[in-house]
Amino acid sequence: GENVEQHPSTLSVQEGDSAVIKCTYSDSASNYFPWYKQELGKRPQLIIDIRSNVGEKKDQRIAVTLNKTAKHFSLHITETQPEDSAVYFCAASGIQGSQGNLIFGKGTKLSVKP
Amino acid sequence: DSGVTQTPKHLITATGQRVTLRCSPRSGDLSVYWYQQSLDQGLQFLIQYYNGEERAKGNILERFSAQQFPDLHSELNLSSLELGDSALYFCASGLAGGLPHEQFFGPGTRLTVL
Repeated sequence: GENVEQHPSTLSVQEGDSAVIKCTYSDSASNYFPWYKQELGKRPQLIIDIRSNVGEKKDQRIAVTLNKTAKHFSLHITETQPEDSAVYFCAASGIQGSQGNLIFGKGTKLSVKP
Repeated sequence: DSGVTQTPKHLITATGQRVTLRCSPRSGDLSVYWYQQSLDQGLQFLIQYYNGEERAKGNILERFSAQQFPDLHSELNLSSLELGDSALYFCASGLAGGLPHEQFFGPGTRLTVL
């Protein structure tokens, strides 16, 4: 079945620096790749997503890139702020026979130091 | 606020017991997904319902079951509880039942099995 690997597991940056989180997936049939931000004790919140017919998508300080050939996608956060500190999860849409369920990476704990 | 509601917020029970978690999707959403989040396993997909029918199954134990009612709310039933079932249980809802789509998470139910 689908497997999503996420790196790094922890990331510490200075305020204002950029942060990059990378994910790889195994099922070439996957075609939807969302990113979620989860603050301690709260729900995962969708922050950006990308579909396989697009190579890059931006939303203000956040961007996601997708390389279908290599089966990897990345989250880029520029000009990081302390409120960006959270756990970030990447995910890929489910394998054949399923209908949209997400397979998640293990998460990256991002710490932004003021 | 995602528009997805879950009750109860917290649940403390003993091993061997049975509990029911409830989820109401966003208005207009037909799909409900259940996910389990534990410290060592991350976010794991359990089961999906679409418009009252089971659509996909993930790593859901036989002791767990779910259903979606005509008003589209869903319940996740956990029986013969074990210590290892202690986790955060999230439901998420989305509009479509076919192509991968945005999923919005509820606030979760924290289950503690003593």
